[in-house]
Amino acid sequence: DQQVKQNSPSLSVQEGRISILNCDYTNSMFDYFLWYKKYPAEGPTFLISISSIKDKNEDGRFTVFLNKSAKHLSLHIVPSQPGDSAVYFCAASDQGGSEKLVFGKGTKLTVNP
Amino acid sequence: KAGVTQTPRYLIKTRGQQVTLSCSPISGHRSVSWYQQTPGQGLQFLFEYFSETQRNKGNFPGRFSGRQFSNSRSEMNVSTLELGDSALYLCASSLDLERAGYTFGSGTRLTVV
Repeated sequence: DQQVKQNSPSLSVQEGRISILNCDYTNSMFDYFLWYKKYPAEGPTFLISISSIKDKNEDGRFTVFLNKSAKHLSLHIVPSQPGDSAVYFCAASDQGGSEKLVFGKGTKLTVNP
Repeated sequence: KAGVTQTPRYLIKTRGQQVTLSCSPISGHRSVSWYQQTPGQGLQFLFEYFSETQRNKGNFPGRFSGRQFSNSRSEMNVSTLELGDSALYLCASSLDLERAGYTFGSGTRLTVV
């Protein structure tokens, strides 16, 4: 049973436009959500996170939105740059006294010059 | 400061053999987690260690095991290797329960032939 779903395996956008990556979850116990970016042959890099007490968090070009009622979150990248081309993973955790994260399968973003 | 170090970076083993992978966390990080990444499956949680104790375990067979030493370094072992064990194995460390996300290493690419 996949608790975190990223239904789009890939996304292609033009440089300068907005990239929107989506993520859905099923476990209502999740209260903390993170996005990681991964380049080939490297480990994932933490990008941005959001707690369930918020509905939006911004960090420069990156904004994460959380809709708890829909169990949906999205990552917006504005403006998109070619260096943003990578695989993006959505992850979630609960307050179960553990650092365990549940990851989605990832979305490969390609930003075309 | 030094990041999470995983050794070796690449490994080729034969079916039926066993393998040990090593992870040195960021200095001061006491929580170490392991993940398996395979194409199309995202990151699957293997186990989490804190203060030499396994705090959480994922849904993997008993052939997968791990441990953590007093200096927080961790090893994972896979016995009786199968072709399906071919994957990127990622180690991540964190300050415990900071809800700040992990720092991942670059991973060990294991190929079973």
